[in-house]
Amino acid sequence: NAGVTQTPKFQVLKTGQSMTLQCAQDMNHNSMYWYRQDPGMGLRLIYYSASEGTTDKGEVPNGYNVSRLNKREFSLRLESAAPSQTSVYFCASTPDPLGPQHFGDGTRLSIL
Amino acid sequence: GENVEQHPSTLSVQEGDSAVIKCTYSDSASNYFPWYKQELGKGPQLIIDIRSNVGEKKDQRIAVTLNKTAKHFSLHITETQPEDSAVYFCAASIVNNNDMRFGAGTRLTVKP
Repeated sequence: NAGVTQTPKFQVLKTGQSMTLQCAQDMNHNSMYWYRQDPGMGLRLIYYSASEGTTDKGEVPNGYNVSRLNKREFSLRLESAAPSQTSVYFCASTPDPLGPQHFGDGTRLSIL
Repeated sequence: GENVEQHPSTLSVQEGDSAVIKCTYSDSASNYFPWYKQELGKGPQLIIDIRSNVGEKKDQRIAVTLNKTAKHFSLHITETQPEDSAVYFCAASIVNNNDMRFGAGTRLTVKP
């Protein structure tokens, strides 16, 4: 049982490059989330998808886009990467919006 | 929106002692309060959660207390062990709201 799988685990980009972070869950969960984690700031929600076919902005959506490809997969895209987007990105899923969230192990992204 | 503050940012205890981490929240409508443990290089993992209709919840050496009037909740770990060393995050969210807000985290070190 893999849970939440994120790819890639590490990535280095140059300013202006584009990148898609992939997330897949095998728990048949309805809701999926993308967070970023910066030192001393905890996790901040970028976008979420309450169910297949829907996406909504979270606390810090600027500079990102998402796609809920199907029930299993939820991708995060950086169209033109900026150094301020250097962070660790976590994907999470939950069976319902008020249930415990299950996290992947993160993607460590550095933008030079 | 919701604002969650967490204290202390670092905590060092001797093996066998108790550890207490405290969080406050700003939105009185929040009614779900999970606690996550994050080990190095891993994603956060839920260790215990509490809903606003309950004042205390225990799971072996871990307990969480909630004071709705004062808008604060705490994590208590008794008989700490070296494997409890990790970063702990509190969070708060509102029912049917996908915008969970996290505290900045507490780095707990348990000295053998």
